[in-house]
Amino acid sequence: DTEVTQTPKHLVMGMTNKKSLKCEQHMGHRAMYWYKQKAKKPPELMFVYSYEKLSINESVPSRFSPECPNSSLLNLHLHALQPEDSALYLCASSQEEGVNTEAFFGQGTRLTVV
Amino acid sequence: ILNVEQSPQSLHVQEGDSTNFTCSFPSSNFYALHWYRWETAKSPEALFVMTLNGDEKKKGRISATLNTKEGYSYLYIKGSQPEDSATYLCAFILWFNFNKFYFGSGTKLNVKP
Repeated sequence: DTEVTQTPKHLVMGMTNKKSLKCEQHMGHRAMYWYKQKAKKPPELMFVYSYEKLSINESVPSRFSPECPNSSLLNLHLHALQPEDSALYLCASSQEEGVNTEAFFGQGTRLTVV
Repeated sequence: ILNVEQSPQSLHVQEGDSTNFTCSFPSSNFYALHWYRWETAKSPEALFVMTLNGDEKKKGRISATLNTKEGYSYLYIKGSQPEDSATYLCAFILWFNFNKFYFGSGTKLNVKP
């Protein structure tokens, strides 16, 4: 199984809502990532979890809250978002060590904040 | 800020044409360079992981070269097919932080039948 599964595929939420994005992989990868991508821009790293611990937080606003309940799951909790947070949110995973560190991506969650 | 640049931004070719695009990255602290293909409504998918200066990798009609001293990689597609239409992303990785991928903005390829 080389899939990274993200749910939901699409999400529309109001600025006062609380929602969560979910990501799951069963490849035994110990690094998991959240990226944000706006149109015609490169994916921007938000968070990295390594061995279930947060290792990189790219100065992301606190209205985005990541969680890694176990080695297969990664969540992104959303609260009080702004319309400019509308974007494609991609989850990825990779092996923690070694040169073959290519990332395996999910299909993304298209988020619209209204 | 670390810049990874890809050119051209977009490319339209006819079926059967061969094409190539470029990824430029810093020439210092190199660990690896990845190429990904991202088809519409699908997940980005790794094509190549390149780690050594002078690396050449091939997968079917697609190949890539790497020059770490001057900081560039080329991706070549021979005899483009409509199913090659996708955005091609490169990602640069530093040796001291291999969990952080610096992506370029991608080259969007459209192959017309």
